[in-house]
Amino acid sequence: GAVVSQHPSWVICKSGTSVKIECRSLDFQATTMFWYRQFPKQSLMLMATSNEGSKATYEQGVEKDKFLINHASLTLSTLTVTSAHPEDSSFYICSEQGAGTDTQYFGPGTRLTVL
Amino acid sequence: QQQVKQSPQSLIVQKGGISIINCAYENTAFDYFPWYQQFPGKGPALLIAIRPDVSEKKEGRFTISFNKSAKQFSLHIMDSQPGDSATYFCAASMTSGTYKYIFGTGTRLKVLA
Repeated sequence: GAVVSQHPSWVICKSGTSVKIECRSLDFQATTMFWYRQFPKQSLMLMATSNEGSKATYEQGVEKDKFLINHASLTLSTLTVTSAHPEDSSFYICSEQGAGTDTQYFGPGTRLTVL
Repeated sequence: QQQVKQSPQSLIVQKGGISIINCAYENTAFDYFPWYQQFPGKGPALLIAIRPDVSEKKEGRFTISFNKSAKQFSLHIMDSQPGDSATYFCAASMTSGTYKYIFGTGTRLKVLA
């Protein structure tokens, strides 16, 4: 399957700061990328869907001004958590899907802890 | 109608035994059903996937059984090993439109040595 990397793998930040998480497709041109968050012992919750060169589509209840998504190229998408607060602490995972395919391939995830 | 119900929530199996995880869906427009395995602190990894035109798909020790009329599908792990201990998620998707996955709630499997 496709190889997806995320950076950083973990990050600790102070409340009020912004954090950027990168999601890269290493061997694949990802038409669509998805961003999920996952709380301990829970399922994956879709935050947004992004297509290269267009604005992301956010799920209901996800603040688009707080979680900024940029999908500038077919191999890179970024999620910026702005003015992070302790309740934003979570495991953030991206996935990619190529044109004409049905399978999502997931990155290794980023653990965000906001103090 | 968008929900995917997964059971059991947790499962303990002896080494060498068969692990069975079940999922049920309501939306008949779903036409792609993948299973993912997730280890703690890692991203989900695709195990196996099935489409409604087949009733069973096998890859190694992993088998998906699909019952279209009952709108149910299940994952069978044969000869379960301690290394299979992980959380398993089923998902459902429509392969037209946004391709969003609807995930089940997950099953934590523990295989005893």
